[in-house]
Amino acid sequence: AQTVTQSQPEMSVQEAETVTLSCTYDTSENNYYLFWYKQPPSRQMILVIRQEAYKQQNATENRFSVNFQKAAKSFSLKISDSQLGDTAMYFCAFMKPYFQGAQKLVFGQGTRLTINP
Amino acid sequence: DGGITQSPKYLFRKEGQNVTLSCEQNLNHDAMYWYRQDPGQGLRLIYYSQIVNDFQKGDIAEGYSVSREKKESFPLTVTSAQKNPTAFYLCASSVQGTGNTIYFGEGSWLTVV
Repeated sequence: AQTVTQSQPEMSVQEAETVTLSCTYDTSENNYYLFWYKQPPSRQMILVIRQEAYKQQNATENRFSVNFQKAAKSFSLKISDSQLGDTAMYFCAFMKPYFQGAQKLVFGQGTRLTINP
Repeated sequence: DGGITQSPKYLFRKEGQNVTLSCEQNLNHDAMYWYRQDPGQGLRLIYYSQIVNDFQKGDIAEGYSVSREKKESFPLTVTSAQKNPTAFYLCASSVQGTGNTIYFGEGSWLTVV
């Protein structure tokens, strides 16, 4: 079974700084998908960024980028120029391909990120 | 606007009662899911459905039941057999197929009193 580990329960940085959230996963699959979701105080889960394992290029979405190290099974999220609105819980999630079973997400425990003014 | 609507947002239940959480989507997604979140933890999959009239158990299905009579709707019933039902419940949906992003509703808080 796949597992996802986020080793930083809480992090705190000043506004405009850069912060990196860590995520490691365990799988025997070769093809899979990785996601970062953000959960603000409203509790809704919002997709931040996604990465296909077969792509070597790291995904980017504006101020958000990932460092995907397939051999190391590592998938970290970097937030540049952090803003107060980035304050939230961040979850790393793993999805194996549909053809090997249903499309399901396996979540890490989350990292609570606080951006201070 | 397209999206996933969950209701009610807050629900209180007495021990021994069944309660049903509603989930409706107008995104034309084939697949729908129910997740449970406990304080300070990640999400765990309860049930999922890939097509109408078909659904499968997730990792923590005991004490829950679902139905999928319409593509747009995937209600979750928390039965009295669920030993610790107080939690935040999230419904989600996605286009069928490999690696498609799963989108979430705003969630429902269930408290057993």
